[in-house]
Amino acid sequence: QVTLKESGPGILQPSQTLSLTCTFSGFSLSTYGMGVGWIRQPSGKGLEWLANIWWDDDKYYNPSLKNRLTISKDTSNNQAFLKITNVDTADTATYYCARIGQLDYWGQGVMVTVSS
Amino acid sequence: DIQMTQSPASLSASLGETVTIECLASEDIYSNLAWYQQKPGKSPQLLIYDASSLQDGVPSRFSGSESGTQYSLEINSLQSEDAATYFCQQHHDYPWTFGGGTKLELK
Repeated sequence: QVTLKESGPGILQPSQTLSLTCTFSGFSLSTYGMGVGWIRQPSGKGLEWLANIWWDDDKYYNPSLKNRLTISKDTSNNQAFLKITNVDTADTATYYCARIGQLDYWGQGVMVTVSS
Repeated sequence: DIQMTQSPASLSASLGETVTIECLASEDIYSNLAWYQQKPGKSPQLLIYDASSLQDGVPSRFSGSESGTQYSLEINSLQSEDAATYFCQQHHDYPWTFGGGTKLELK
């Protein structure tokens, strides 16, 4: 059974760095073809893909976030991470991680609010 | 970036009806398209992948098709539990992009 769960700080202030963790089970990021993606969704709005990390440590980022993103993984502990630097109110959203190939299994999401 | 233009933004239909939601890709995405269903307060769930393949466990009343750069999601025999927002997503090229969503309301 594949499960994923996101965790994060809940609230942070503008200019801080957002650190998110995705803890998963039922698959391994050391397996060929596996990966984890991060997607976010402001309240009442659409979905925005942020970044992917693959089993071979290939990483891909959404250029719209202008080098603010860093994705990484800890294969031994079945975790993936996303950092977003210099946050502002526009980064307020629910953040999801999902298993890739397809985005076939998603976590429940974690709400992040950026507010002074 | 590949733009995914999804239509309609909202629709209302009755139980038992058939509805179609469309996504137009700004360039050829070679069937690298998925459809998701999202209910309020929940995470998206994969319905269709590779444009027309039904994800395990998804009812067969959901189907996907394509014609050129136009992709369609059809829902037959609408059930009350189909009330949700539906998104398309291309994974042919980075950055992966989503359509704007279609909110389906049941009358």
